[in-house]
Amino acid sequence: QSALTQPLSASGSLGQSVTISCTGTGSDVGTHNDVSWYQQRPGKVPKLIIYGVNQRPSGVPDRFSGSKSGNTASLTVSGLQGEDEADYYCLSNAGNYMAVFGTGTHVTVL
Amino acid sequence: QVQMEQSGSELKTPGASVKVSCKASGYSLSSFSINWVRQAPGQGLEWMGWINTKTGKPTYAQDFRGRFVFSLDTSVRTAFLQISRLKIEDTAVYYCVRDLTTCAFDFWGRGTLVTVSS
Repeated sequence: QSALTQPLSASGSLGQSVTISCTGTGSDVGTHNDVSWYQQRPGKVPKLIIYGVNQRPSGVPDRFSGSKSGNTASLTVSGLQGEDEADYYCLSNAGNYMAVFGTGTHVTVL
Repeated sequence: QVQMEQSGSELKTPGASVKVSCKASGYSLSSFSINWVRQAPGQGLEWMGWINTKTGKPTYAQDFRGRFVFSLDTSVRTAFLQISRLKIEDTAVYYCVRDLTTCAFDFWGRGTLVTVSS
């Protein structure tokens, strides 16, 4: 199972939006709605920010939103804040009780 | 509150074995599976597999079959990751995580750094 493909980096200015893609195949992202996103700040433990494609856990700001089209899932961060500068990873159900992470995207807030 | 408490850092030589523990508390253990995730220094997250906390059955990702073993002791609410025949490239932080629903890792342990060095 190959890692899902994410851009290495993305950036946006304070207050603007950034969208990160997560491209898989018809066996993972394309088939399953079990797609989640994680934020990992430097030196910290990853944090769940989106699950089930577009569900936000309690306490996660609504600036974070998720969507999916075909084999590609996306995470949008609106109203960028300095604290959003971090690495972001997607995770998808890959069938047969398997899962796979994305390659990770570093978001820079300009 | 939900906690996943992991054992401390380990320093091992190549060829040795290591056993990492993950004690779950604050919820019904059998209601959620426990997954394991690896992160090598400066690298991304890798899904290693999971253990069914109702049956104790482990499932391994392709790259983690053979030297990696997941186990569970429900009497002490603890999951274990054992790695045998350690290699330099096994140096990484290993996380145990609770799966809220399929692929929704809501509570993470602090991570256990395993360093393999001669």
